[in-house]
Amino acid sequence: AQSVTQLDSQVPVFEEAPVELRCNYSSSVSVYLFWYVQYPNQGLQLLLKYLSGSTLVESINGFEAEFNKSQTSFHLRKPSVHISDTAEYFCAVRENNQAGTALIFGKGTTLSVSS
Amino acid sequence: DAGVTQSPTHLIKTRGQHVTLRCSPISGHKSVSWYQQVLGQGPQFIFQYYEKEERGRGNFPDRFSARQFPNYSSELNVNALLLGDSALYLCASSLRLAGLYEQYFGPGTRLTVT
Repeated sequence: AQSVTQLDSQVPVFEEAPVELRCNYSSSVSVYLFWYVQYPNQGLQLLLKYLSGSTLVESINGFEAEFNKSQTSFHLRKPSVHISDTAEYFCAVRENNQAGTALIFGKGTTLSVSS
Repeated sequence: DAGVTQSPTHLIKTRGQHVTLRCSPISGHKSVSWYQQVLGQGPQFIFQYYEKEERGRGNFPDRFSARQFPNYSSELNVNALLLGDSALYLCASSLRLAGLYEQYFGPGTRLTVT
């Protein structure tokens, strides 16, 4: 069965520092991978996704994630964070042979950026 | 274009009561999914509907049910509410049932059961 493990529940960093949020998944077949961000009292927003092709995917606001099939990981990175990046980040997986687009989510990582 | 909309935004119910949550998908999207997000956890899949038929169901008891209407909007119903049903209920829509179609989430309905 699919599962997603986000290895850090909380990541505190200072503004302009680099950050990595770690995500590992478990699946016996090929998968699609997603990172969603949730700001306080809001729904989820898609940050970036890996469907196929290049293993390095980027978002418009400076985040990137790399799909590593051998490590079954999809870690999220940003070279320099801003205060506005403070939010909850969720890694999610979907097996590419499943019927439906339902997602399996990790428990989330709280990113806290301070000045 | 409007995103996914959900109503109500907040709701307080008593144990044993029934609740109905509503969702309108993005225009043109034919699939609606429901997720439960308990405080401090990631969302958990409850149902997916496509073309008014249930196409997927997560590990939730029969107290949870849903339906999709001809205009693709959807309702989630929960009977005999328990304290543990307190959560943020998220609705997500996607263009089609499967394939390379991502899900777009609404702002959620926060349900508190007392």
